[in-house]
Amino acid sequence: GNSVTQMEGPVTLSEEAFLTINCTYTATGYPSLFWYVQYPGEGLQLLLKATKADDKGSNKGFEATYRKETTSFHLEKGSVQVSDSAVYFCALPDNYGQNFVFGPGTRLSVLP
Amino acid sequence: SQTIHQWPATLVQPVGSPLSLECTVEGTSNPNLYWYRQAAGRGLQLLFYSVGIGQISSEVPQNLSASRPQDRQFILSSKKLLLSDSGFYLCACRTGLNEKLFFGSGTQLSVL
Repeated sequence: GNSVTQMEGPVTLSEEAFLTINCTYTATGYPSLFWYVQYPGEGLQLLLKATKADDKGSNKGFEATYRKETTSFHLEKGSVQVSDSAVYFCALPDNYGQNFVFGPGTRLSVLP
Repeated sequence: SQTIHQWPATLVQPVGSPLSLECTVEGTSNPNLYWYRQAAGRGLQLLFYSVGIGQISSEVPQNLSASRPQDRQFILSSKKLLLSDSGFYLCACRTGLNEKLFFGSGTQLSVL
């Protein structure tokens, strides 16, 4: 069935550093792909999504491109801030479309 | 847009006591509803999902149960809590295939 592999952290960066969090997927067809973010003590919220190959999702300075050739959806940000410290989850719908498959999450800590 | 109300935010319960967590959704009808658990420092575990009133699918055998008495109400219960039930419980909803999941703010449950 559909699955996602995500680099596990923790990732620690200095403020203004470049961020990449890798995510690769296995899927039947071409489902939408998602990145969710979870700030401390809160639920998850959608960060960005892409609905088809070569789509680029973007939000709050984060970007991810739906790469069919490499089955990847890596999350990037050019200059991270302390406020970006959170756990990031890559996700896609399961084979039947009823549920989501989540990666294990990557904890990012940004130091001032 | 959709809003998910989840309460309580924090709960401390003794081992062997019952549990009832409630989740209600506003701003949509006939959503898919989900209960997830997140153990400390770990990823999301899907516990239950529901595609309609009275329809519950269980993903993991355990001493928890779920019910959906109304279209926009989803309840997580237990007759006798175990230490291993401690965690962060998240309710989520979704409408339509390839649509994003909306998450509630979560309940931090500590079983002592």
